[in-house]
Amino acid sequence: DAKTTQPNSMESNEEEPVHLPCNHSTISGTDYIHWYRQLPSQGPEYVIHGLTSNVNNRMASLAIAEDRKSSTLILHRATLRDAAVYYCILIERGYGGSQGNLIFGKGTKLSVKP
Amino acid sequence: EPEVTQTPSHQVTQMGQEVILRCVPISNHLYFYWYRQILGQKVEFLVSFYNNEISEKSEIFDDQFSVERPDGSNFTLKIRSTKLEDSAMYFCASSERGARNNEQFFGPGTRLTVL
Repeated sequence: DAKTTQPNSMESNEEEPVHLPCNHSTISGTDYIHWYRQLPSQGPEYVIHGLTSNVNNRMASLAIAEDRKSSTLILHRATLRDAAVYYCILIERGYGGSQGNLIFGKGTKLSVKP
Repeated sequence: EPEVTQTPSHQVTQMGQEVILRCVPISNHLYFYWYRQILGQKVEFLVSFYNNEISEKSEIFDDQFSVERPDGSNFTLKIRSTKLEDSAMYFCASSERGARNNEQFFGPGTRLTVL
């Protein structure tokens, strides 16, 4: 299955932008790039996803490299509530078919300092 | 805002006992999932369910596990004979369509403790 690589941890200051990188050099043309996060003691929470074009929603932006071998999740103004583990996940056509089962890695633990 | 709910929030059981974890997915969702997370470890996929049958399951989901949608609203995970290593948080999730291009909504989880 396609794999992603993320830094183990990152730090940010409150109200500053945060760029969370993800490498997925073995991505195939039909794989979607999903981001989820897990706040302490909670279940995972969907953040954003995309295929080729950059995406924006109320939570974040997703910047996808032109060759799709990497992507960056952008939190425009980090708040204390954004402290969580962020997971970059590829959903493959071949694995899980249309179900899109999520295969979580270790993610990036984001700390936000006041 | 609609949400996935799970009961109980915490279940304590003796090794060898059967447990049933319950989930109520979002009402118009058609795809259902169970994941688990052992304390301090990553979230692991267990099983996906669509159209009243299992679509895919992981190696973890052995014969001790089963899932069911007994009525139009509940989605259950049964562990037939619990082992100590089944102690974990169990998360239910649902999605409106197959989640390759769609988001999964997760419940708050059930903490299962096997003594």
